[in-house]
Formats: sequence, C-alpha cells, structure tokens
Amino acid sequence: ETGVTQTPRHLVMGMTNKKSLKCEQHLGHNAMYWYKQSAKKPLELMFVYNFKEQTENNSVPSRFSPECPNSSHLFLHLHTLQPEDSALYLCASSQDGTENNEQFFGPGTRLTVL
Amino acid sequence: AQSVAQPEDQVNVAEGNPLTVKCTYSVSGNPYLFWYVQYPNRGLQFLLKYITGDNLVKGSYGFEAEFNKSQTSFHLKKPSALVSDSALYFCAVRDLSGAGSYQLTFGKGTKLSVIP
Repeated sequence: ETGVTQTPRHLVMGMTNKKSLKCEQHLGHNAMYWYKQSAKKPLELMFVYNFKEQTENNSVPSRFSPECPNSSHLFLHLHTLQPEDSALYLCASSQDGTENNEQFFGPGTRLTVL
Repeated sequence: AQSVAQPEDQVNVAEGNPLTVKCTYSVSGNPYLFWYVQYPNRGLQFLLKYITGDNLVKGSYGFEAEFNKSQTSFHLKKPSALVSDSALYFCAVRDLSGAGSYQLTFGKGTKLSVIP
C-alpha cells in the first residue's frame, strides 16, 4: 500500500514500555483516523484529525496519545499499556472529514502487549 | 445513534456461484453506507458506497450492493464468485443527521470463503 503506510507492522511491548506508531498518507488528504481492530469485534474509532485539528476522541484511555504534526503524518504514542490493548491498530485518511468521502486504510500495526 | 448488523459471521460459496453478504443498519436520519474488504494482513479497502440516487450501486472487482430503505438493508452481491474474493467484508454506516461527527460505524465483519 503506497497510499497509506504504517510503521512498524508488528510491535511487541511490555506494560511499562513507551512506544509510538507512525502513519503517513501520500494521497493529499486532510483527515486522518486511528482505529482499533480486535478479534470478533467491530472496528473502534479512536481519534479523528481534520486539517491537523483533533475533532473526535472516542473516550480513549489516556495511555493512548495521538499527535498530528501535519496533514500527512499521524502518530499514536503508547505508554503503560495493558494486555487487553493488544490488537491491530489501523490508520486511515480521507479527503476531508465530510460525510461522503471514503476512507483509505493502511495495513495496520499488530500490537502485542505482554 | 447509528448501528450496523452483519448477521452472518461466515459465508461459504462455491466458485462461480452468486454471493450475497448481508448488512442491515439503523440510523435516525438518512444513511451513508459503505462496504470495505480486508484481505489477510492488510488494511481495509473501499469497495463501494451509497450516498443518494440509484439504489443499485456498482463498485470495485465486480461487486454491487442494493440499498433498500424499507428493509434498512444494504446487501453486497456479486454474480459469480472467485476464489480471490475470499476475505473479510465490513459494512459501515454514517447517519446524515449526526452533524459534526465523522464517525463511521462498522459491522463486525463477515468472512467470505469461496470454495474452488
């Protein structure tokens, strides 16, 4: 996927570690999203940025901290995570935050918290 | 509140046969509806969307979906299944009355297996 890239693709961390997930979109979009995908559960929207401004935070625990330095980059900073935070974290982008624009997804980061 | 139901966790179909993946939704206003597909170890890929207009929407890879307002459904269909269609399929909805919200609500996904 050259449109939306995510690094790393896999991450294993202990509960006391601090790590960051990176997302970059090469589509000229203005909105970016973080989702959590857990087995047998619907995708959970975590954060939305539109034109670099955070517009949604869906009651995400403070151990997840997003950062959007520009419209092309989105980070998710992780600290003192719990084993139940193990999941696939997906980044997405869209032209802007309006209703009818489809989202383009990255391949995800598979996170395992020990 | 908006919600999406995909009643089948798994759908099995023989190669060459027609396939249907079901989706029903609940919104308070008019819906925007989307289908996405996820192949193993990949992110979600957009297939098609319904915004307004013709109830039959055509999308990528020969897929189509029919919007049925009376039944609040948006089933995904393909006339002839390919083994390469085997993947996880997600339906998603956004309520037009949700002013200021960019939130798409996704279903739990349906695993499609096409048997050679």
